Amino acid sequence: GAGVSQSPSNKVTEKGKDVELRCDPISGHTALYWYRQSLGQGLEFLIYFQGNSAPDKSGLPSDRFSAERTGGSVSTLTIQRTQQEDSAVYLCASSLYGVSYNEQFFGPGTRLTVL
Amino acid sequence: KNEVEQSPQNLTAQEGEFITINCSYSVGISALHWLQQHPGGGIVSLFMLSSGKKKHGRLIATINIQEKHSSLHITASHPRDSAVYICAVTAGSGGGADGLTFGKGTHLIIQP
Repeated sequence: GAGVSQSPSNKVTEKGKDVELRCDPISGHTALYWYRQSLGQGLEFLIYFQGNSAPDKSGLPSDRFSAERTGGSVSTLTIQRTQQEDSAVYLCASSLYGVSYNEQFFGPGTRLTVL
Repeated sequence: KNEVEQSPQNLTAQEGEFITINCSYSVGISALHWLQQHPGGGIVSLFMLSSGKKKHGRLIATINIQEKHSSLHITASHPRDSAVYICAVTAGSGGGADGLTFGKGTHLIIQP
């Protein structure tokens, strides 16, 4: 029974480079969430997957952000042409089903620093 | 969009004191979550509730749906309880697509 895992744990990149963040949810969890935690904005919701489908992508901060999920399991969050304001901790969470009264289990996060 | 307000923002107390952290929200919800984050650590779910009261060890969470208010209580506080406590809510539709909307957190320090 491993928990939610994320990789890398830390990522330092130069402005303008692309980065890919990975999330492995708890086995059997159908719902997966991406959140961002930054000093200025606190915790904010980015995107939700039910299975491989993301019904609403409007929470993504800009069109430089994209996310996908394959096989109902692993998800990747890609940030293209990174900017300094993208520096934050990116958190992934999963829950058994995609209903709001299910407990969400959080991963340890990926700390992204854009120089 | 729901607005989630927590108080106090910062709280320092002595070991053994009874702690109360408050959370209020602006529109109807289907569930309210209390989360804990230790310095440099990950986020752990403490409670999820949609009505009434839940208790786990020294932690108690209550919610009043009519008043749109929840409280987290810690009895016999201990230095290891020092952490940021975050209130979060999910939308009234019951679906997961809105994710969690978070309060700004309460930074709690328990001094020995």
